[in-house]
Amino acid sequence: SQELEQSPQSLIVQEGKNLTINCTSSKTLYGLYWYKQKYGEGLIFLMMLQKGGEEKSHEKITAKLDEKKQQSSLHITASQPSHAGIYLCGADWARGSQGNLIFGKGTKLSVKP
Amino acid sequence: GAGVSQSPRYKVAKRGQDVALRCDPISGHVSLFWYQQALGQGPEFLTYFQNEAQLDKSGLPSDRFFAERPEGSVSTLKIQRTQQEDSAVYLCASSLGLHTGELFFGEGSRLTVL
Repeated sequence: SQELEQSPQSLIVQEGKNLTINCTSSKTLYGLYWYKQKYGEGLIFLMMLQKGGEEKSHEKITAKLDEKKQQSSLHITASQPSHAGIYLCGADWARGSQGNLIFGKGTKLSVKP
Repeated sequence: GAGVSQSPRYKVAKRGQDVALRCDPISGHVSLFWYQQALGQGPEFLTYFQNEAQLDKSGLPSDRFFAERPEGSVSTLKIQRTQQEDSAVYLCASSLGLHTGELFFGEGSRLTVL
């Protein structure tokens, strides 16, 4: 969806390097979700952010939501081949929404050993 | 079951054929969603159920697409008179209820229309 832009579209990094993926919304977010998808598989939930300025971490992955709640970044420290996949951000824009998410087009991450 | 189960995993159909895709959500999950994912794109919302009620079908691309969840558990997505542009991965997701944060996705059904 153009309402939710992800950058970069693809990324190739050397194992051990840090990287950042960005997700920008055209309007204020109620919630922002990060998922990971491997080829031919479903989406695996990583993190959910709701509060402006919020930051969450899981293992070597950290996600932040900016104060205005229109942009989120996903940061991977010391990347490993197991981090390879497609990272998708999903937006929930309305407090009273039914819970369905609008997704970005994804960022394809490759990690070279 | 332990997770969301979808079948078939792969389906090849000739243009004009009808297809049915099945989703078994996690037991006890109230909400069920269908998404369509074209190659190289993010998932696009199709429709949403809360128990057996289809509360939103705004994402269904045409009247050839029909979804049901008659007993509030298993759901079927039916596509009539398939077209080549219907080729995509169809993802099913379930959640405990509204605003629970996490959607649990199945592995998807990959439909190829020849």
